[in-house]
Amino acid sequence: NAGVTQTPKFQVLKTGQSMTLQCAQDMNHNSMYWYRQDPGMGLRLIYYSASEGTTDKGEVPNGYNVSRLNKREFSLRLESAAPSQTSVYFCASPPVVGHLRKQFFGPGTRLTVL
Amino acid sequence: KNQVEQSPQSLIILEGKNCTLQCNYTVSPFSNLRWYKQDTGRGPVSLTIMTFSENTKSNGRYTATLDADTKQSSLHITASQLSDSASYICVVSADWAGRRALTFGSGTRLQVQP
Repeated sequence: NAGVTQTPKFQVLKTGQSMTLQCAQDMNHNSMYWYRQDPGMGLRLIYYSASEGTTDKGEVPNGYNVSRLNKREFSLRLESAAPSQTSVYFCASPPVVGHLRKQFFGPGTRLTVL
Repeated sequence: KNQVEQSPQSLIILEGKNCTLQCNYTVSPFSNLRWYKQDTGRGPVSLTIMTFSENTKSNGRYTATLDADTKQSSLHITASQLSDSASYICVVSADWAGRRALTFGSGTRLQVQP
């Protein structure tokens, strides 16, 4: 039971390049989220998926697309990377109430756009 | 606009001492409040979760309090250890019409020195 996994852990892109961040959870949760974390700004929601087959925009969706491939996987795509997208990206899947100590954030992907 | 403000931004204490971190929020409709610990380079890990009717919740040396009337929460760390050095993030959840919105504070960076 790995919880939430993300790949890759680190990535460097040039402006204009594209890439997909992968996220998978093995907890059979319906909801999955993508956040970005920037210094002094906390975590900001990019997109979320309340259930398989549905996605919704969060606070900062511009420049990103998502796919909820199945119940386990939720990917985040940058079609044309920009330096403003340099950040740490976290995937999360909310726990069932009662599993309070179970980590439901992935380890993060540190992305640098040059 | 939903907001979560944390204070102080950073804190340095000596090993063995106690400390208290603050979280003030303006989130509506309030569902629950979580405190997370985030080690450098890692994803956030849940420490406590409190709903509207709960005033206090403990997890080992961590004790969280919630005053839903004043919309304030605190995280008290007792007998600090070097491993407590991390960022502590307050997250408030608003649920309505089957949807959930999470608002994150920017965190308090705690450094415990020997």
